[in-house]
Amino acid sequence: DAGVTQSPTHLIKTRGQHVTLRCSPISGHKSVSWYQQVLGQGPQFIFQYYEKEERGRGNFPDRFSARQFPNYSSELNVNALLLGDSALYLCASSLGAEQYFGPGTRLTVT
Amino acid sequence: AQSVTQPDIHITVSEGASLELRCNYSYGATPYLFWYVQSPGQGLQLLLKYFSGDTLVQGIKGFEAEFKRSQSSFNLRKPSVHWSDAAEYFCAVGGSNDYKLSFGAGTTVTVRA
Repeated sequence: DAGVTQSPTHLIKTRGQHVTLRCSPISGHKSVSWYQQVLGQGPQFIFQYYEKEERGRGNFPDRFSARQFPNYSSELNVNALLLGDSALYLCASSLGAEQYFGPGTRLTVT
Repeated sequence: AQSVTQPDIHITVSEGASLELRCNYSYGATPYLFWYVQSPGQGLQLLLKYFSGDTLVQGIKGFEAEFKRSQSSFNLRKPSVHWSDAAEYFCAVGGSNDYKLSFGAGTTVTVRA
């Protein structure tokens, strides 16, 4: 079975630009979560979506937004990029309490 | 508030030696506890989890962890380390009605020949 997939793998953007990251969950999983992992730190929770509704939001500014589609895939959008947004963005899908992570998207903001 | 502390930033072990990684958590209700492993540039792989029941849980790759409620700990162990175990290890806490995981800062494991 395919695991969680994320695209793109790597991305380089300039300050002030906008970025969209994509995630496809494991088949049958209805919940998708997004995490930000800055180099040298543990992942920090950004959002969780369940059945296309936002279920929870972490302590991130409004520049961060997300949505979930009818096929349960998800997009994370970040506006007005800052240098500090450079990180590995991880998507996780879940059926219950266990979360399974994708390989991540490495975002570099210059 | 929920939080996880991993006291050891970096551990070096010899191949074949035993390994123990420490994890302390703070959680207001019954915790769900997880250990994940991350190889350089990769995502997180779930090693094992604890929800309830037997406090000693077995995971993949020969790892086990013990939940000690009185110490708010969930330490990870492996009896004999292989070179391929070199990676970063993260402990995380969540709950049955929780939508997020809170992670520790991670412990980097180096395996020397």
